[in-house]
Amino acid sequence: NAGVTQTPKFRVLKTGQSMTLLCAQDMNHEYMYWYRQDPGMGLRLIHYSVGEGTTAKGEVPDGYNVSRLKKQNFLLGLESAAPSQTSVYFCASSALYGYTFGSGTRLTVV
Amino acid sequence: RKEVEQDPGPFNVPEGATVAFNCTYSNSASQSFFWYRQDCRKEPKLLMSVYSSGNEDGRFTAQLNRASQYISLLIRDSKLSDSATYLCVVSGAGSYQLTFGKGTKLSVIP
Repeated sequence: NAGVTQTPKFRVLKTGQSMTLLCAQDMNHEYMYWYRQDPGMGLRLIHYSVGEGTTAKGEVPDGYNVSRLKKQNFLLGLESAAPSQTSVYFCASSALYGYTFGSGTRLTVV
Repeated sequence: RKEVEQDPGPFNVPEGATVAFNCTYSNSASQSFFWYRQDCRKEPKLLMSVYSSGNEDGRFTAQLNRASQYISLLIRDSKLSDSATYLCVVSGAGSYQLTFGKGTKLSVIP
């Protein structure tokens, strides 16, 4: 039972580099979300999607882009990484309110 | 005012103790309420939903007071395995998006 799978699990980037985080779910959920979690800040919504081909901005979207070309996949892109984007990134999916989270990606930008 | 506020703790309690967590939310139109649990360096997982009539799941009891915009979680007979961060979570009005509190850390001590 895979649920929500995030890749990669860890990554170190240099300032200015770009990368894409992949989230895949096998539960046929319509809704998918990208959060970041920083010490003392809790989970903050970056972008979300309510269905294939649709995306919307969350609380902290600046510096990130997303795409939902297939229902099961939700990609998060960092165009030009900054040290402020050092964080743990969680993807989640849901049918309604019951969120299932991936195990997270630990990103360090140096 | 933060949308979802929790006492950050930490709460350090001995095994067998009863511990209560409180949470307040600012959006009076919120419709759904949850407690999630997050273990250290892991993803959040749904612990239980919270209903207006109050609900119980084994040693865990959740209460909701809509008039006061207040949610609580009571853990009886604490176990070492209950050590985690407990996140209070609230939905938006007419939305499946969830807003997470910053969490309350619980350490159960032998």
